[in-house]
Amino acid sequence: GENVEQHPSTLSVQEGDSAVIKCTYSDSASNYFPWYKQELGKRPQLIIDIRSNVGEKKDQRIAVTLNKTAKHFSLHITETQPEDSAVYFCAASDGGSQGNLIFGKGTKLSVKP
Amino acid sequence: SQTIHQWPATLVQPVGSPLSLECTVEGTSNPNLYWYRQAAGRGLQLLFYSVGIGQISSEVPQNLSASRPQDRQFILSSKKLLLSDSGFYLCAWGDRVDEQYFGPGTRLTVT
Repeated sequence: GENVEQHPSTLSVQEGDSAVIKCTYSDSASNYFPWYKQELGKRPQLIIDIRSNVGEKKDQRIAVTLNKTAKHFSLHITETQPEDSAVYFCAASDGGSQGNLIFGKGTKLSVKP
Repeated sequence: SQTIHQWPATLVQPVGSPLSLECTVEGTSNPNLYWYRQAAGRGLQLLFYSVGIGQISSEVPQNLSASRPQDRQFILSSKKLLLSDSGFYLCAWGDRVDEQYFGPGTRLTVT
């Protein structure tokens, strides 16, 4: 079955710097890769996603890149702000007909003012 | 627009007591529904998913069960809670094969 590895587990950056979180997946049939942001005590919120027919997608300060050959995808946050501090989860579809997602273990991002 | 509700928001239950958590979705029909558990400081563990009324698939063996009595209602139950059942329970819905949106969650503490 699908396995998703996420790195790093913690990331600390200065306000204004960029942050990059990387994930790898194992199932070549996976075709959907969302990223969720979870603030302390709250639900995960879908912030950006990418499908396998696209190599990059941007939404203001966040972007996601996908390398299908290498089976990895990354979240890029530019000009980080303190409110970007949260746990970020990547996920990959399991390639089955049910469309289940397999989640990474999360990255705790801290943005220091 | 679609809205997902979960209740209760928090719950403290003694070991051995029963459990019933409810999730409802508005603004869509025939959604895929999911139950996840998140232990403190940990990742998301898929417990159950459902693609239709009465159709439940279980991802991990445990003392929990799920039911879908109506199209937009998903219930998580247990007959006897264990200490290890403590966690943040999240319901999610999707009207496509893969996109998922989470509810506000129920924080369960088993004492």
